[in-house]
Amino acid sequence: DSGVTQTPKHLITATGQRVTLRCSPRSGDLSVYWYQQSLDQGLQFLIQYYNGEERAKGNILERFSAQQFPDLHSELNLSSLELGDSALYFCASSGTPAWNEQFFGPGTRLTVL
Amino acid sequence: QKEVEQDPGPLSVPEGAIVSLNCTYSNSAFQYFMWYRQYSRKGPELLMYTYSSGNKEDGRFTAQVDKSSKYISLFIRDSQPSDSATYLCAMIARPSNTGKLIFGQGTTLQVKP
Repeated sequence: DSGVTQTPKHLITATGQRVTLRCSPRSGDLSVYWYQQSLDQGLQFLIQYYNGEERAKGNILERFSAQQFPDLHSELNLSSLELGDSALYFCASSGTPAWNEQFFGPGTRLTVL
Repeated sequence: QKEVEQDPGPLSVPEGAIVSLNCTYSNSAFQYFMWYRQYSRKGPELLMYTYSSGNKEDGRFTAQVDKSSKYISLFIRDSQPSDSATYLCAMIARPSNTGKLIFGQGTTLQVKP
C-alpha cells in the first residue's frame, strides 16, 4: 500500500458526460501528479500540482482540468467525454516539487461507452 | 517518434533465467533514470533509480545507464514467478523544477515456474 488513495476504483459513463476523479496524497506529500495509462499510449503525464499551485503540464486535453485543495487532496475533472478517454488514471504524490520518488495510487479505471 | 522507446514484449522466460529489459531515449537532457514495476491492476512502484551514467545493484536487480548510447537496461538475475509484471522505464530531465516523468511503453514479463 503506497499510502495514496484514489476514488472511485471504477467508473462507467457515457460519451459527452463529465466525471471527477479524486486523489488523496500520502501524509506529508505536497506534490500531486496525474497520469493517464492506455494500451496504445502507455503511461502519460498529465499535470502536477505542488502545494495548491500548478507546477507542470503535460499533454492534457482542454476538456480536462485539475486542482489541488488546501487539504492537499486533488481532483481531476474530465468533461465532454469521448470513447478514447477510456483509460486508467493514476494519481501519484511526492514530498518535493522536483523529482523525488513518486508513490502511485491504485488508479481509477474509466470506461466511456 | 516517442522520447522513450521500450519494447512492449511480452517476454516469457523460465524460472531462474536472467532477464534483460531495455529502453532507448532521444532527449540528451534526461539525467535521472528509473525502473518501475507494475503488477496487474495495481499502480506502478519504484524499483530502482540511477543518476547519469553507471550501474546500480539492488539484490537480484541491476540497472545500467549508457548515456553515450542513450540506452538503459534492467537485469533481473535468478528470475522468479513473482517477478511477473510489467516493467516501465521512466526518465526526467535536468535541470528541472518539476517531477514530470516520461515513461516508456512498458515490457510485460512472464516468468514460468
